[in-house]
Amino acid sequence: EVHLVESGGVLVQPGGSLRLSCAASGFTFSDYWMNWVRQAPGKGLEWVANINQDGSAKHYVDSVKGRFTISRDNAKSSLYLEMNSLRAEDSAVYYCARDRYSTGSLDSWGQGTLVTVSS
Amino acid sequence: QSALTQPAAVSGSPGQSITISCTGTSSDIGYIYNFVSWYQQHPGKTPKLIIYDVTNRPSGVSNRFSGSKSGHTASLTISGLQAEDEADYYCNSYSSSGPSYVFGTGTKVTVL
Repeated sequence: EVHLVESGGVLVQPGGSLRLSCAASGFTFSDYWMNWVRQAPGKGLEWVANINQDGSAKHYVDSVKGRFTISRDNAKSSLYLEMNSLRAEDSAVYYCARDRYSTGSLDSWGQGTLVTVSS
Repeated sequence: QSALTQPAAVSGSPGQSITISCTGTSSDIGYIYNFVSWYQQHPGKTPKLIIYDVTNRPSGVSNRFSGSKSGHTASLTISGLQAEDEADYYCNSYSSSGPSYVFGTGTKVTVL
């Protein structure tokens, strides 16, 4: 069974930094594109970033370019999101999700980790 | 990378069919790729993939859910509406600007 577990979400001050992690199990992690998707409280889903199987291709939503970095460690079956220069509008539950067919088909999601940016 | 446009709310009676639209541009929904997916999210739960690549249903998803695309608009149809279908629904599409993916604004489905 596919299992994704996010961690690292905390309360952080504006301008601060944070690293989110996603531990994967139940599938061959290195075979799949992986994504981060966020959802602010009471709001809709927002795609944040994705990374290809070997980490050589990374894409981001415009609002996080230059501030967030997605990475992966296939040996550890782990996905990461390094978040810098955090803003209040980055406050959200952050989900990691597997892209089943490399077409944006996000078939497996973690339970999410809450990031709150506030002074 | 503007969000795709969905109606805020759609409602129907049990047994009826409803359709949710998802409107984008030539850079996303209307692009040459058929990378459009739909997600169902019940309150307090994680999103669930119900349609991928415009028309395909993952294993285990009811055949009451179907997807289509025409031009810059994708659609999700729920036939034989049931109480358990009451949830939020989001479309998602590949966008050639980035490249990236973009979600729709979300539609709340109410079963009357």
